[in-house]
Amino acid sequence: EVQLVESGGGLVQPGGSLRLSCVVSGFTFNSYNMNWVRQAPGKGLEWVSYISGSSSTIYYTDSVKGRFTISRDNAKNSLYLQMNSLRAEDTAVYYCASAGHAQWLFYYWGQGTLVTVSS
Amino acid sequence: QSALTQPASVSGSPGQSITISCTGTSSDVGGYNYVSWYQQHPGKAPKLMIYDVSNRPSGVSNRFSGSKSGNTASLTISGLQAEDEADYYCSSYTNSNSLVFGGGTKLTVL
Repeated sequence: EVQLVESGGGLVQPGGSLRLSCVVSGFTFNSYNMNWVRQAPGKGLEWVSYISGSSSTIYYTDSVKGRFTISRDNAKNSLYLQMNSLRAEDTAVYYCASAGHAQWLFYYWGQGTLVTVSS
Repeated sequence: QSALTQPASVSGSPGQSITISCTGTSSDVGGYNYVSWYQQHPGKAPKLMIYDVSNRPSGVSNRFSGSKSGNTASLTISGLQAEDEADYYCSSYTNSNSLVFGGGTKLTVL
């Protein structure tokens, strides 16, 4: 059974930092593309970032470029999102998501972790 | 990158068919066959219903179908059931090496 389990969310002040983690089991993590997708409270989905299996290809949505960094540790079956210079508009549930070798679609989802940016 | 345009809400009675549209531009929906559709029930993670415009993942009912014409993609649900009541989101790859979602459509089964 495939499982994606996010952690690391919480309350942080504007300008602060947070690191999200996603531990994956049930598939060959080191060859699968991974993504972060977020959803602000009561709002729609927003793709945040993509990383290829080898970490050779990384993409970000414009609003997080220069502030967020996606990374992975294939030995630990883990995906990360380092979030710096956080803003109120970054408040959302953050999901890790994947469709294996396919790009730009999401078959596997975690349960999400809530990040709240507020003073 | 602007969000794709979806109707805020649609409704239908059990057994009927409904269609949700998703309008983008030639830089996203119209330019690539990488359109997906997701179903999301309250408090749950989204579920992939359609990928690459018209393909259904294993386990998804054949009552769900997808299509595309020009810059507009569509999701059709036939034989509407109470359990289909949910939010639906389209997404598309873009020419900026990014992914854009639609604003979401709330489906109400009357």
